[in-house]
Amino acid sequence: QVQLQESGPGLVKSSETLSLTCSVSGYSISTGYYWVWVRQPPGKGLEWLATIHLSGPTYYNPSLQSRVTISADTSKNQFSLKLTSVTAADTAVYYCATLHDAWGQGTLVTVSS
Amino acid sequence: AVVTQEPSLTVSPGGTVTLTCGSSTGTVTSGQWPYWFQQKPGQAPRTLIYDTTNKHSLTPARFSGSLLGGKAALTLSGAQPEDEAEYYCSLSYSGDVIFGGGTKLTVL
Repeated sequence: QVQLQESGPGLVKSSETLSLTCSVSGYSISTGYYWVWVRQPPGKGLEWLATIHLSGPTYYNPSLQSRVTISADTSKNQFSLKLTSVTAADTAVYYCATLHDAWGQGTLVTVSS
Repeated sequence: AVVTQEPSLTVSPGGTVTLTCGSSTGTVTSGQWPYWFQQKPGQAPRTLIYDTTNKHSLTPARFSGSLLGGKAALTLSGAQPEDEAEYYCSLSYSGDVIFGGGTKLTVL
């Protein structure tokens, strides 16, 4: 059973970089699957951010492409998200997931001025 | 592209309802790997249906996915009170994923 857990700072200052890590258990990320980051601003819908497949291409939301990076560390069975130059609009619950199977519980990241 | 869903629907307990997921680019195809997710207040989303028709191992049998009238569809047959939730679909556009705005389903 695949399980995912997000970790990272809950508070980030405006203009700085948001960094989150997703720890995966129950499955080796290098074996397969597409691993994604999704966010949800308070009271709003879901927004896809990025996808990584260890043996395939990486995809980014075009509206964020210049600011977002997804990467993986197979030795730790983790994948990560970096979002640069954050503003209040980036305040959201951030989820890691493999869309066809499992989601993390989500982590609230607040951008402060 | 924009993915469209009904903003809200209501179903009676035991009744049947179909939620749809349309694309501004035209007919939704299986090649867009339609997904359906359920989210209850304060909880993370959970996957119900992937790749148009495939059920997650934990998805109740009363949920089914299909293509219907040029859209992806999620049908709930025999609605239960616990099915009241927000439902999101997603479509893939050459690897980019777009979520619909969500359908708030009320069981009443």
